[in-house]
Amino acid sequence: AIQLTQSPSSLSASVGDRVTITCRASQGISSALAWYQQKPGKAPKLLIYDASSLESGVPSRFSGSGSGTDFTLTISSLQPEDFATYYCQQFNSYPLFTFGPGTKVDIK
Amino acid sequence: EVQLVQSGAEVKKPGESLKISCKGSGYSFTSYWIGWVRQMPGKGLEWMGIIYPGDSDTRYSPSFQGQVTISADKSISTAYLQWSSLKASDTAMYYCARVKIGGDAFDIWGQGTMVTVSS
Repeated sequence: AIQLTQSPSSLSASVGDRVTITCRASQGISSALAWYQQKPGKAPKLLIYDASSLESGVPSRFSGSGSGTDFTLTISSLQPEDFATYYCQQFNSYPLFTFGPGTKVDIK
Repeated sequence: EVQLVQSGAEVKKPGESLKISCKGSGYSFTSYWIGWVRQMPGKGLEWMGIIYPGDSDTRYSPSFQGQVTISADKSISTAYLQWSSLKASDTAMYYCARVKIGGDAFDIWGQGTMVTVSS
């Protein structure tokens, strides 16, 4: 089964900072990767699909890149509403669409 | 508006059965895969399985195969997740989510159903 790891597991940042989160797959998954944002007590929200496609309605400060085994989610200028936990998920290993363990972004 | 609306919170005893629901609206329910995701308290997201309501084709994560049953009733645009004998370790929030057509992702999520299993 394909495993996903995320780094860092948590980070502290300030409003306006550029933030980068990494997701690594245990084997190649092409570009079959999504990124989600989850706030406490809420359902996850899709940010990025197919590794780099921005979901409709998501601010352009969010971007995704990568293919194969290494992927990144970048927030170009962190906003107060961006403090949350971020998860990656792979869709290559059907039907086991595993999630990464998550990265918590909190206020420095 | 495209949405998935889940049934309300449940409190059950170990050994009891349970079926929770996820009703789709605002789109063609039979044309999209629906998945189920578990989130135990304070933990991350776990993929459970998916169903295609058009023909009830169902696939399970090996971790959940035999532990739960996923089904759908396309006549009422509703997907289900059920247990025949709950355990305390089934205590979690359960989300349904729609698989995006043409893209690898869950694009629409239900609000979640909290299941508490306690004696």
